[in-house]
Amino acid sequence: GENVGLHLPTLSVQEGDNSIINCAYSNSASDYFIWYKQESGKGPQFIIDIRSNMDKRQGQRVTVLLNKTVKHLSLQIAATQPGDSAVYFCAENIGGGGADGLTFGKGTHLIIQP
Amino acid sequence: GAVVSQHPSWVICKSGTSVKIECRSLDFQATTMFWYRQFPKQSLMLMATSNEGSKATYEQGVEKDKFLINHASLTLSTLTVTSAHPEDSSFYICSARVERGVLAKNIQYFGAGTRLSVL
Repeated sequence: GENVGLHLPTLSVQEGDNSIINCAYSNSASDYFIWYKQESGKGPQFIIDIRSNMDKRQGQRVTVLLNKTVKHLSLQIAATQPGDSAVYFCAENIGGGGADGLTFGKGTHLIIQP
Repeated sequence: GAVVSQHPSWVICKSGTSVKIECRSLDFQATTMFWYRQFPKQSLMLMATSNEGSKATYEQGVEKDKFLINHASLTLSTLTVTSAHPEDSSFYICSARVERGVLAKNIQYFGAGTRLSVL
């Protein structure tokens, strides 16, 4: 797949600043999107999700924006903390109903500078 | 709630041996579980969908005879890597789907992963 052999892009942010992590998806049939956080040696941890009938959803310190026109998804993290350092993946569900496995994006390594 | 446990977290085996990885949903029932594979600094790739009481569905390119999946109960799915070789060394992660109602999308929660090293 497109992710094979590629190294993760890195985003370096000062502690306390806001972070924006972007993700492009290719399948216009995708109707459900999720952001996951993965710390080294651990499984992905659910952060926030959004359905295709929405363009914005907010959680605690996080906001997900969905632009279906350009097939783009972003995750905004407010006031980043050292504990936010991790790899962030967007994932999409293709096929409807949530019954299928997820297709993951390439991932972005977020580094928080003190 | 929604805890998925995976065991073992790390296993080293000799080439040619088989390794079984367990995935359990601890506080909910899961009719569907998923198995993913992740190489270092790469994304997760779906290997197969594990269905309770029926055969697993494998993604294209995944050998079903090599990666045996059994989902015998609503809380346990197992992945057995048969005749493992060094190229099978990877991080294997399972997830279980939590249903939140007929109209809601089903969130997948992940286990902590199993690091397999084949010598």
